[in-house]
Amino acid sequence: DAEITQSPRHKITETGRQVTLACHQTWNHNNMFWYRQDLGHGLRLIHYSYGVHDTNKGEVSDGYSVSRSNTEDLPLTLESAASSQTSVYFCASSEETVNTEAFFGQGTRLTVV
Amino acid sequence: EDQVTQSPEALRLQEGESSSLNCSYTVSGLRGLFWYRQDPGKGPEFLFTLYSAGEEKEKERLKATLTKKESFLHITAPKPEDSATYLCAVQTPGSARQLTFGSGTQLTVLP
Repeated sequence: DAEITQSPRHKITETGRQVTLACHQTWNHNNMFWYRQDLGHGLRLIHYSYGVHDTNKGEVSDGYSVSRSNTEDLPLTLESAASSQTSVYFCASSEETVNTEAFFGQGTRLTVV
Repeated sequence: EDQVTQSPEALRLQEGESSSLNCSYTVSGLRGLFWYRQDPGKGPEFLFTLYSAGEEKEKERLKATLTKKESFLHITAPKPEDSATYLCAVQTPGSARQLTFGSGTQLTVLP
């Protein structure tokens, strides 16, 4: 079965370190998204990609970057981790057309100390 | 700016006690309204998509409805396994293929 997987599931890092969260999907979807989920804020869009070599900033992109070198993967990098980036991160993918639902990974819980 | 507001924030029901969750939205055009279920420690799981006012969709004890300003998720005779956070999200012409989410309603069904 096709799926979307994130790794690691849990990560503790220190302030100032660079961190990369992995996202891999086997749906062959062109659209991929990164969200963060915080209490009281719901899911907020960080970055998204509509295809290989395409990346776009979302609502809360400061301090994050992504790159898309193939269809399957969209890694999320925190350039210099800050305590405000402690959160649960979700990757999602969807088909190319509009009006289609997104499928989510199981999430990565990141703690910045 | 697209806005999605869900109410109540939390809801506790007795098993078998039917109720409704609300999702109101303020958007410039609506391509679709999506309902997701999220269990603790897991990613959101897709439930329904609604596209136009008057549309309804059902799945087991859940029924989603849509008007021009809001959507309702009706839960009929809920069971403890229906306990979860329910999220709604909108997709608009301005946001293309992205989703804008509400903060969710945490539902607890007591046995």
